[in-house]
Amino acid sequence: AQTVTQSQPEMSVQEAETVTLSCTYDTSENNYYLFWYKQPPSRQMILVIRQEAYKQQNATENRFSVNFQKAAKSFSLKISDSQLGDTAMYFCAFMKHGGSQGNLIFGKGTKLSVKP
Amino acid sequence: DTEVTQTPKHLVMGMTNKKSLKCEQHMGHRAMYWYKQKAKKPPELMFVYSYEKLSINESVPSRFSPECPNSSLLNLHLHALQPEDSALYLCASSLEDRGANQPQHFGDGTRLSIL
Repeated sequence: AQTVTQSQPEMSVQEAETVTLSCTYDTSENNYYLFWYKQPPSRQMILVIRQEAYKQQNATENRFSVNFQKAAKSFSLKISDSQLGDTAMYFCAFMKHGGSQGNLIFGKGTKLSVKP
Repeated sequence: DTEVTQTPKHLVMGMTNKKSLKCEQHMGHRAMYWYKQKAKKPPELMFVYSYEKLSINESVPSRFSPECPNSSLLNLHLHALQPEDSALYLCASSLEDRGANQPQHFGDGTRLSIL
């Protein structure tokens, strides 16, 4: 069975600084997808970034980038130039290749607070 | 603005009431999902509909009854709920339920409180 672990329940960062959220996972699969979702107080879950396990290059989306270490089964999220609007719960998620999207496995989340 | 619309945003109901949650999307997605989310916890999958057919039911109690009248609409009928059912109910949709090329789009959720 796959598991996703986020070891930081809460984090804070000053506006304009950089913060890294940790995520590790456990799987015997070789092909899979990893995601970071953001859930602000408005409640909507928003996809931040996605990584295919067969791609060695780390995914980036503007100020958001990941450090994907397949051998270590680590998938951390780096937020650069943090903004107040980045304040949210961040969930790391795993899905095996060819599986149903209903089998997204979420971590417990990290609450990020960006302080002015 | 979210492309997945959920109504109502808030619902308070007694344990004997019958109510329905509604979810609508017009992105042409053929997979739709219901999740339950308790405070400070990740979403928990309840149901998956693929091409308007129920494909996954995660052993959800029968007091929750999903319905997919057409490809754009997803309902969750509620009856005889318990206080522990109070939670945020999220709807999501994706192009299809297989593969991750088109990720899930979530609505803003319905905050449900059972008295």
